Amino acid sequence: EIVMTQSPATLSVSPGERATLSCRASQSVSSNLAWYQQKPGQAPRLLIYGASTRATGIPARFSGSGSGTEFTLTISSLQSEDFAVYYCQQYNNWPPRPTFGGGTKVEIK
Amino acid sequence: QITLKESGPTLVKPTQTLTLTCTFSGFSLSTSGVGVGWIRQPPGKALEWLALIYWDDDKRYSPSLKSRLTITKDTSKNQVVLTMTNMDPVDTATYYCAHSQWLVPWFDPWGQGTLVTVSS
Repeated sequence: EIVMTQSPATLSVSPGERATLSCRASQSVSSNLAWYQQKPGQAPRLLIYGASTRATGIPARFSGSGSGTEFTLTISSLQSEDFAVYYCQQYNNWPPRPTFGGGTKVEIK
Repeated sequence: QITLKESGPTLVKPTQTLTLTCTFSGFSLSTSGVGVGWIRQPPGKALEWLALIYWDDDKRYSPSLKSRLTITKDTSKNQVVLTMTNMDPVDTATYYCAHSQWLVPWFDPWGQGTLVTVSS
């Protein structure tokens, strides 16, 4: 099983600042990585797939980068609605065995 | 617009079998490349993938839970059913279903989720 490790567990950021979230895979997943945002009491929402492609309707302040084992989600200027938990998910295996990271909570500083 | 909604019991007893139904609209599970997945999330914890079913009835399961899971589809009703046997309190979680695709199993969109509590 490919293990996904996210860091930090909690990130304290002021509105308007940049947030950088990390996700590491235990083995290469190429660019087969997605990012999700989850707000309290809501289902996750797809932000990024293919490591760097924004999903439909996702603002340009969200960007993804990386390949292989190291990935980054950057929120360029945090808005109030961006405070949430973010998960990465790999989908490199065949047959499919997607796995999620433990999440990073982005909180207001 | 794709929507999905989970339904099923909110409370099950230990050792019982859980049956959850995902009812969806905006796509067909008879369309090539389409899939539906189940993912769960214990309270305050991370997401865990459980199972996937595809348009051609290909079924995939989490290796750690494979012996307890069964996923089926009813294309005419636009439904996917997940059963999990021998429920335990550690299976208490919000269970989500989500739309997915062949060869690129990310999940988008997700249903609202349903909280299942396992307790005697």
